[in-house]
Amino acid sequence: AQSVTQLGSHVSVSEGALVLLRCNYSSSVPPYLFWYVQYPNQGLQLLLKYTTGATLVKGINGFEAEFKKSETSFHLTKPSAHMSDAAEYFCAVNSNLVYNQGGKLIFGQGTELSVKP
Amino acid sequence: NAGVTQTPKFQVLKTGQSMTLQCAQDMNHNSMYWYRQDPGMGLRLIYYSASEGTTDKGEVPNGYNVSRLNKREFSLRLESAAPSQTSVYFCASSQGTGREKLFFGSGTQLSVL
Repeated sequence: AQSVTQLGSHVSVSEGALVLLRCNYSSSVPPYLFWYVQYPNQGLQLLLKYTTGATLVKGINGFEAEFKKSETSFHLTKPSAHMSDAAEYFCAVNSNLVYNQGGKLIFGQGTELSVKP
Repeated sequence: NAGVTQTPKFQVLKTGQSMTLQCAQDMNHNSMYWYRQDPGMGLRLIYYSASEGTTDKGEVPNGYNVSRLNKREFSLRLESAAPSQTSVYFCASSQGTGREKLFFGSGTQLSVL
């Protein structure tokens, strides 16, 4: 069975500081990994994803994440936080057991990011 | 483009009442999903439909039923609502390869009194 654990339900950083949001997954097969962001009173938007290939993936708004198989991790980083980054962030995993047959996307509990001026 | 459309946006039910949440997508996607979002719990998958004609249970299916009416529409039914089903419900769709992003509806805020 697949699962996702996000360490820290709330993270607070100062504007300009490094953002690090942690995500660990469990999967019996090579996973597809995603980070989504949810701004207040909105739906979810995709930030970035890892499927195959390069393990360091870049997304929108300056975010990036690195897939580390040995650590079963997919942590999200941004070098310099901006006030507009304040939102809730969700890590998600899809263990697609049958190629091109969809599969279910399982989300972590979410991490709320606050950015202090 | 409408994308994923959910109705209603808000609903208040009394315990024991039934209702159906409607979802439709206009992107010709194969897969559709129903999630519920609760504080501190993230999004939990209720049911999903990998393709037209198929449905499968997710993490929290108890108390819910679904119907994939056709390729466009995927409805979620609460037969006898309970206070524990108070939540925000999101419908989503995707092409269905597992590697692409999900497109989410705007959500339904449901309160069960």
